[in-house]
Amino acid sequence: AQKITQTQPGMFVQEKEAVTLDCTYDTSDQSYGLFWYKQPSSGEMIFLIYQGSYDEQNATEGRYSLNFQKARKSANLVISASQLGDSAMYFCAMREVPSGGSYIPTFGRGTSLIVHP
Amino acid sequence: EAGVVQSPRYKIIEKKQPVAFWCNPISGHNTLYWYRQNLGQGPELLIRYENEEAVDDSQLPKDRFSAERLKGVDSTLKIQPAELGDSAVYLCASSLGPPSTQYFGPGTRLTVL
Repeated sequence: AQKITQTQPGMFVQEKEAVTLDCTYDTSDQSYGLFWYKQPSSGEMIFLIYQGSYDEQNATEGRYSLNFQKARKSANLVISASQLGDSAMYFCAMREVPSGGSYIPTFGRGTSLIVHP
Repeated sequence: EAGVVQSPRYKIIEKKQPVAFWCNPISGHNTLYWYRQNLGQGPELLIRYENEEAVDDSQLPKDRFSAERLKGVDSTLKIQPAELGDSAVYLCASSLGPPSTQYFGPGTRLTVL
């Protein structure tokens, strides 16, 4: 079963508009972390934002915010005031910390975002 | 501060040939990861190092893949012999520790002909 599900293969948004990229996750652990990365065409994965499972407030980093709904197991990324440079692949990832188990971070399949002028 | 450095950026080889990728992590980062990213997919972990020790290598195809991290700094990932299905981007990442944020290098795009 997929641990991270990103249901939107592609998204389009007008410059200066806000956009939400969906991510749902599956874990039985109580302690875990959720990440979003941006991968432009150059290939490098750029860290955007992190949310811990015990964090009560939604994480924010500049124009990025994470809409964390723990009961629904969703961690959607919201990009406000989109810019042309935001066009890229976006990956949601989860870090589980199982007691006594191996730590294997998992990534979703990604969402391609295209920002139109 | 310098980021994660990887070389080469691109590599084209014939099948059955050997190939090696090199990674230099961010200074002070104890944890180093190697990922493989197939076209249209997210990265999949191959191996994680804690200093010199290889842990979480259950997804490394050990019949043809090997990795080392001498002195707990630089790391090399090797494939011998390469197969057509090994064509992918190989990403290296580092972090202060397993729970910490990972920072990625630019990746090596491997094409096996």
